[in-house]
Amino acid sequence: GAVVSQHPSWVICKSGTSVKIECRSLDFQATTMFWYRQFPKQSLMLMATSNEGSKATYEQGVEKDKFLINHASLTLSTLTVTSAHPEDSSFYICSATDRGRYNEQFFGPGTRLTVL
Amino acid sequence: AQSVTQLGSHVSVSEGALVLLRCNYSSSVPPYLFWYVQYPNQGLQLLLKYTSAATLVKGINGFEAEFKKSETSFHLTKPSAHMSDAAEYFCAVSGASGNTPLVFGKGTRLSVIA
Repeated sequence: GAVVSQHPSWVICKSGTSVKIECRSLDFQATTMFWYRQFPKQSLMLMATSNEGSKATYEQGVEKDKFLINHASLTLSTLTVTSAHPEDSSFYICSATDRGRYNEQFFGPGTRLTVL
Repeated sequence: AQSVTQLGSHVSVSEGALVLLRCNYSSSVPPYLFWYVQYPNQGLQLLLKYTSAATLVKGINGFEAEFKKSETSFHLTKPSAHMSDAAEYFCAVSGASGNTPLVFGKGTRLSVIA
């Protein structure tokens, strides 16, 4: 149990286009979802915290208008990178907290975004 | 505020040797501590976690870690390294609530030499 999926697993897009990444909790209800970004050979940096039905809370330095997060249901959160540029190329990972297992986050497999 | 320091960005051991990956934390609240492993181009897999119960925590794949409050440490060990252990390891800290995000260390890349 406690499986989190991400789609797509990788995406290549042209500069200026928008890309949507989905994060789903497959077998549990996620009260909270987190979005992280990981640059090559670096650690994970928190981008935003998303609670179902409310606006996401962004970390300092993360542009809200560029990285749109929607958490429409207890099993789905989406991250849309708007007007993507090459510097947005990164590995994006989501995690979700299981309502029944309060102190553990379950991670998705990640999405590799490459902006040409 | 919470933070994690992983000593050594790269650790190299021989197959069969002891693995020791160091992690020190800073937290203003009782911490929950985690070790994750990441293989190339994959997400994170939880190895083990400390959530204020037993201070010696056993995880998957033969790994274990000991929470030492006096030393603010949570080092990861494995008695005998296997080639398949080669990966990136991250130590992380959070507050007690699952709604608080994890704060990660910078990671330690473990290489295993045959």
